[in-house]
Amino acid sequence: AQKVTQAQTEISVVEKEDVTLDCVYETRDTTYYLFWYKQPPSGELVFLIRRNSFDEQNEISGRYSWNFQKSTSSFNFTITASQVVDSAVYFCALRSGGTYKYIFGTGTRLKVLA
Amino acid sequence: DVKVTQSSRYLVKRTGEKVFLECVQDMDHENMFWYRQDPGLGLRLIYFSYDVKMKEKGDIPEGYSVSREKKERFSLILESASTNQTSMYLCASSLIAGTSYNEQFFGPGTRLTVL
Repeated sequence: AQKVTQAQTEISVVEKEDVTLDCVYETRDTTYYLFWYKQPPSGELVFLIRRNSFDEQNEISGRYSWNFQKSTSSFNFTITASQVVDSAVYFCALRSGGTYKYIFGTGTRLKVLA
Repeated sequence: DVKVTQSSRYLVKRTGEKVFLECVQDMDHENMFWYRQDPGLGLRLIYFSYDVKMKEKGDIPEGYSVSREKKERFSLILESASTNQTSMYLCASSLIAGTSYNEQFFGPGTRLTVL
């Protein structure tokens, strides 16, 4: 069975704080892809990053960084020096290689307070 | 840039009405998807299409049907709308499975209210 768990339903931080959004996944496949999406209040999901199962290299993009650890089946997302514009719902998703289906977590609502 | 558009941002319908939600993508993607998003439940797949006239049921197809007559257009149909179909509906598209760059691109969503 495939599953994505985002245990944090809602997180509130004060601007400039660092925050980590957790994502734990389950799959028996050896080839799979992981994704993070941001859904701002406007509603449209925006793609942030993809990772395939053979690439455990962590990635940094500006204030965003991602930590992929196959040993713990986790793909966590950290925002450094958070800003009010980071307020959104963030979704983690999984797709196994060769299949069409994307499995989404239930999302984490991040509120960054000024 | 990939663009996915949906015909309406907000829609209000009456119980029993037939409802059409339209989605168009401009990047020649093979795959198209319809999801509904409800609080606490995340995104749930209603239907998926991997080619013109081809479709597969997702996790919650009951009460819905789809149509894909052209590659760029994927329609979701509520044959007889019910109040429990009040939700946010999201359309997405992606390249064919098996490619590395297979992230989904989403439309802005249609918030449907059934009275």
